[in-house]
Amino acid sequence: EAGVVQSPRYKIIEKKQPVAFWCNPISGHNTLYWYLQNLGQGPELLIRYENEEAVDDSQLPKDRFSAERLKGVDSTLKIQPAELGDSAVYLCASSSSGTPNNEQFFGPGTRLTVL
Amino acid sequence: QKEVEQDPGPLSVPEGAIVSLNCTYSNSAFQYFMWYRQYSRKGPELLMYTYSSGNKEDGRFTAQVDKSSKYISLFIRDSQPSDSATYLCAMRSTGGFKTIFGAGTRLFVKA
Repeated sequence: EAGVVQSPRYKIIEKKQPVAFWCNPISGHNTLYWYLQNLGQGPELLIRYENEEAVDDSQLPKDRFSAERLKGVDSTLKIQPAELGDSAVYLCASSSSGTPNNEQFFGPGTRLTVL
Repeated sequence: QKEVEQDPGPLSVPEGAIVSLNCTYSNSAFQYFMWYRQYSRKGPELLMYTYSSGNKEDGRFTAQVDKSSKYISLFIRDSQPSDSATYLCAMRSTGGFKTIFGAGTRLFVKA
């Protein structure tokens, strides 16, 4: 079974440019998460989807960040415009209500560098 | 003060040593306690999961939860160079979906 797929794996952009990250969760997983992981820190939740509905986006900086999961499967996270402080790893995870503990499975992340 | 505190290390041990990793937390509502392992340039993977207080053992790994002290531990016996990674503690409350992660402890096991 394929794991969580993220692309691109690495992205380098200049500040004020837009950037988008894509995530394809594990097949059948209805819950999708986007996390931000700064260097030397643990992941911090940005947004959680249940199917196509964003049920927790309280930590998403809505002035520059947006996300969508139109058909309840794959998802896109966008930053526009990017700032220097956005340099980090963006992790996508998915889970299914049918698995014990709602275990979250993480993708490899997209490492963003803003110059 | 962060909800979950974890010493970032790094922690360097010789192969075969017993490793002890710890986290403290402040939210008494936390009931689910997890340990994730994260290799360099990879996403975290769930290693151990414990509900409420007590111990749980899986091979060389033992997770302990002391809710009275708000303290959790992960022990690794007979540590191997392949155990070199960052170990993240994580926790959430019953019925909650928001998982709070510690900063992670970097572990190096020397051959």
